[in-house]
Amino acid sequence: QSVLTQPPSVSGAPGQRVTISCTGSSSNIGAGYDVYWYQQFPGTAPKLLIYGNNNRPSGVPDRFSGSKSGTSASLAITGLQAEDEADYYCQSYDSSLSGRVFGGGTKLTVL
Amino acid sequence: QITLKESGPTLVKPTQTLTLTCTFSGFSLTTTGVGVGWIRQPPGKALEWLALIYWNDDKRYSPSLKSRLTITKDTSKNQVVLTMTNMDPVDTGTYYCALNDTVTHGFDPWGQGTLVTVSS
Repeated sequence: QSVLTQPPSVSGAPGQRVTISCTGSSSNIGAGYDVYWYQQFPGTAPKLLIYGNNNRPSGVPDRFSGSKSGTSASLAITGLQAEDEADYYCQSYDSSLSGRVFGGGTKLTVL
Repeated sequence: QITLKESGPTLVKPTQTLTLTCTFSGFSLTTTGVGVGWIRQPPGKALEWLALIYWNDDKRYSPSLKSRLTITKDTSKNQVVLTMTNMDPVDTGTYYCALNDTVTHGFDPWGQGTLVTVSS
C-alpha cells in the first residue's frame, strides 16, 4: 500500500481535461510538504513534470498544471493529446517515515 | 548536460548482496544542496524511494529497507554506490538513480535504470 493514494487509471478523449488525484495525510501533503509529479512512458525512466506543487520545469507544456489543497494534490492535463498516454506518479515527503514517498501511480489512457 | 547511468549485475542470487553504481556527469556532488537518490520499480508496479545522499554526506534511507541499505559517494569519480544486502526475489525490478537538485528539489533527471533479477 502506497502512502500516497492515486486512482489506478483515468481516461479522456483528445482535447478533454483530465485530473489525477493524490491523497495523502497530515504527515505528508497535509503537513505542507511539496508535491511532485512524474510522467513515465513504458520502458523508460520517469520524468519530472511538476515540482513544488505547481511549477513546471523548462520544456513541460503549460497544458500540465498542479495544485494542492489540504491533504491532497492534483495534476490537471488540458487539451489531452494521444502522446500524453503514460503513467503518472505523485511524490512528497513524509515526516512520520522521515523519507520520500511515492503514490501508486495512475495510468492515463487517451481514448 | 546532466546525465546519470546505473551499472551493476543483472542477476543476483537470493541472500546475496547487490551493489549498484550510479555514474554521473554535468554536476558535482560537492555543490551545496545537491543530492543523488535511488528509486526502484518492480515489474508492472509503482516507484519506491530507497535512499538519498547529499553533498555534505548526509544520508537518508527508506525506513522499511534501512537495515539492508548503504549509500556512499565518491566525488572524485562522480559516483554514488548503493548496496542492498540479503536480496530476495521480491527485490526484482528496475533500479534508478536520479539527481535531487537545488532548484526543484525533485528527482530530475533520472538515469535509464538497470533491471536486477533475483533468482537462484
